[in-house]
Amino acid sequence: ETGVTQTPRHLVMGMTNKKSLKCEQHLGHNAMYWYKQSAKKPLELMFVYNFKEQTENNSVPSRFSPECPNSSHLFLHLHTLQPEDSALYLCASSGDRLKSPLHFGNGTRLTVT
Amino acid sequence: GEDVEQSLFLSVREGDSSVINCTYTDSSSTYLYWYKQEPGAGLQLLTYIFSNMDMKQDQRLTVLLNKKDKHLSLRIADTQTGDSAIYFCADSDDKIIFGKGTRLHILP
Repeated sequence: ETGVTQTPRHLVMGMTNKKSLKCEQHLGHNAMYWYKQSAKKPLELMFVYNFKEQTENNSVPSRFSPECPNSSHLFLHLHTLQPEDSALYLCASSGDRLKSPLHFGNGTRLTVT
Repeated sequence: GEDVEQSLFLSVREGDSSVINCTYTDSSSTYLYWYKQEPGAGLQLLTYIFSNMDMKQDQRLTVLLNKKDKHLSLRIADTQTGDSAIYFCADSDDKIIFGKGTRLHILP
């Protein structure tokens, strides 16, 4: 099993749709993250969960709604997105919020039409 | 705020060494990381160095850290076509800050 698994790999959705991205980690880590990667921009940290509790929300619009039911699973619920939200969404996990490296999934390529 | 800077592109001939450079501003970095991203994939952790080390070697990879100048480099010996990717430098203290990535292009 790969360490961090993201589904789906690709998603095309209209601006009025509701969809969810899923992330699962098999590394026994305690912290999980959502990042957004757009062309020609640095990686943008969106949300951080530590022991299932949200510890960071970097001014992300409310059309993105994270959910972390346990330390192994992380979801990103999407609704009424804009075309500029099209990007690669990366999930990551780490053993310790501050002292251990991030392990990334392969991402979900999202296209909003 | 903290910042991590990298050059955006590097071209290297196959078989030569690649050196990717990075500068950072955070004085209290704990760890510094190198990640590799291949097309269609996420970021893969390549190696990392603790801030009290000067050098770390792992097979073809050598990481050099100059803490005084806040300069980090990644040397890839005997560069192969499979090394073609985007390489991200990152530093961490209370949070991880990524550079914009260096795209390594391998010339035949």
